[in-house]
Amino acid sequence: TQLLEQSPQFLSIQEGENLTVYCNSSSVFSSLQWYRQEPGEGPVLLVTVVTGGEVKKLKRLTFQFGDARKDSSLHITAAQPGDTGLYLCAGAWGDYKLSFGAGTTVTVRA
Amino acid sequence: GAVVSQHPSWVICKSGTSVKIECRSLDFQATTMFWYRQFPKQSLMLMATSNEGSKATYEQGVEKDKFLINHASLTLSTLTVTSAHPEDSSFYICSAREPAGVGEKLFFGSGTQLSVL
Repeated sequence: TQLLEQSPQFLSIQEGENLTVYCNSSSVFSSLQWYRQEPGEGPVLLVTVVTGGEVKKLKRLTFQFGDARKDSSLHITAAQPGDTGLYLCAGAWGDYKLSFGAGTTVTVRA
Repeated sequence: GAVVSQHPSWVICKSGTSVKIECRSLDFQATTMFWYRQFPKQSLMLMATSNEGSKATYEQGVEKDKFLINHASLTLSTLTVTSAHPEDSSFYICSAREPAGVGEKLFFGSGTQLSVL
């Protein structure tokens, strides 16, 4: 199993502030995915990054894949209370197996 | 979009009994499904890869005789937790992969919360 380190574990910010979540590994992944998970539900895919150096934007969310395809970041601009949730990064390897990071619990206070 | 249905959403059982969890792909045929386990405030850990028509592939440390996986059709995989004990209490999540040529995206079920008394 490939290991992914995700940081920080918890993040609490005020509405309107920016935040960044990091995902790092010593392993190279064929792709890296970011998910958001609500309590008692399965994770929902936000984005998949495939190419080293790739940057993808999803409204106020910006995802970046490192040049060496070992790390990634998720940046949220002007966070809103609706952004509150558990964010998970996952690296794909083998036959579509996923290794998940430990997750970052984001709380955006109104 | 594609949907993966998982049933039941939650189950409470007595220690020593067996529990079956179903994972269905509703919009596509999934030759490969995956089973994960998630403990409170922890991430998802891959338990096994379920392959239609063949034996499941288990990750290191996962007991295949305790967690029985059956993938008898292209739209259904089942996970049976046999002789469940309190330490098996966890959130179990399945995912299904779209076939090659369609998109090969992974879609997750909504999870099953198992509580063993």
